[in-house]
Amino acid sequence: DTEVTQTPKHLVMGMTNKKSLKCEQHMGHRAMYWYKQKAKKPPELMFVYSYEKLSINESVPSRFSPECPNSSLLNLHLHALQPEDSALYLCASSQYGETILGEYTFGSGTRLTVV
Amino acid sequence: GNSVTQMEGPVTLSEEAFLTINCTYTATGYPSLFWYVQYPGEGLQLLLKATKADDKGSNKGFEATYRKETTSFHLEKGSVQVSDSAVYFCALRLGGGGSNYKLTFGKGTLLTVNP
Repeated sequence: DTEVTQTPKHLVMGMTNKKSLKCEQHMGHRAMYWYKQKAKKPPELMFVYSYEKLSINESVPSRFSPECPNSSLLNLHLHALQPEDSALYLCASSQYGETILGEYTFGSGTRLTVV
Repeated sequence: GNSVTQMEGPVTLSEEAFLTINCTYTATGYPSLFWYVQYPGEGLQLLLKATKADDKGSNKGFEATYRKETTSFHLEKGSVQVSDSAVYFCALRLGGGGSNYKLTFGKGTLLTVNP
């Protein structure tokens, strides 16, 4: 298995809803990442987990809450989002911890619309 | 800081035309360089990479050579196909800790290939 699987592929949520995005990989990668991509823009890093511990938070608002229950799974919990949070959310993983130059493998993303 | 500059496009070509997408970088240190491709509605796929000066990355007919003297990593393909229509991102990554570990992306180049 050489994939990063993200679910759901599409999500529409209201500003008062709570929802979660899920990301899974079975490649034994020890670093996992959340990126946010707005239309016609490059991805922007949000969070990095290295060996299941949060190592980087790129000053992301607290309405986004990451969680790494085990080495294969990464969640992003969403609460009280704003319409401007609508974007493609990409998960990625890499073979080593984030300080070593392993390749990134990206998932296909969750397209989130906040109404 | 680290940065990547790539031609923004859009680039429109006819099938079987020659493709060049320019990419230059600024980095403190010796980065690894990457080209990622994003097909419509999908996540990012690693197209090719080079980890040291004069390395040539290649995949699916695409090539790019790591030129340290010109700090460049231009993407080329001799004969494009309609199926190559996508957004192409040049990116760099450094080793070590702190913020150097993360991928720094260019703004992306939209390529459209017409039959």
